[in-house]
Amino acid sequence: DAKTTQPPSMDCAEGRAANLPCNHSTISGNEYVYWYRQIHSQGPQYIIHGLKNNETNEMASLIITEDRKSSTLILPHATLRDTAVYYCIVSIIQGAQKLVFGQGTRLTINP
Amino acid sequence: DGGITQSPKYLFRKEGQNVTLSCEQNLNHDAMYWYRQDPGQGLRLIYYSQIVNDFQKGDIAEGYSVSREKKESFPLTVTSAQKNPTAFYLCASSAWDSRYTQYFGPGTRLTVL
Repeated sequence: DAKTTQPPSMDCAEGRAANLPCNHSTISGNEYVYWYRQIHSQGPQYIIHGLKNNETNEMASLIITEDRKSSTLILPHATLRDTAVYYCIVSIIQGAQKLVFGQGTRLTINP
Repeated sequence: DGGITQSPKYLFRKEGQNVTLSCEQNLNHDAMYWYRQDPGQGLRLIYYSQIVNDFQKGDIAEGYSVSREKKESFPLTVTSAQKNPTAFYLCASSAWDSRYTQYFGPGTRLTVL
């Protein structure tokens, strides 16, 4: 079973920031928070990951609460191409990761 | 271009036939994975391999088999023992680096008639 809880769907207006929440209340100290997204009928794409500090890259920002029980993925200026299913996954760092995908959040960007 | 290729994109087979899905990567990654995705669901891990000539079962290995004779190749055979083989199959690979992020191929949609 997935160790994360996400809302099944969200909407966001184009050009606005999209904030996707994730609860992972049973996360262990050595587990990282990963975000992937899957555009319809394609393979998932890595977005970002973090342990306890906030992280930012060219695609998104990841905000992890101090107790690490929840996090938020932020797409700062959403475009129509950001419409996808977003998966929040917790996993330890190891040679071969067994990622457990839940059902994710279906994010729809509206023009 | 560097990446992961899966072929074909669509595959049709008759019930009772074994079918092999190909997965090739030129990223020089050590680890490779096979996932299955059913409509409206997340991905489920079938098999994974950390190095050549070694592989482990994932969460739903029954009815599937794999081989890892070369670093760049990780074919998946869907056998007749798999009760519901119609699904979207995704292959991924990852490097043993600081991120361990997985890179996914475009997937093969298998339909068993």
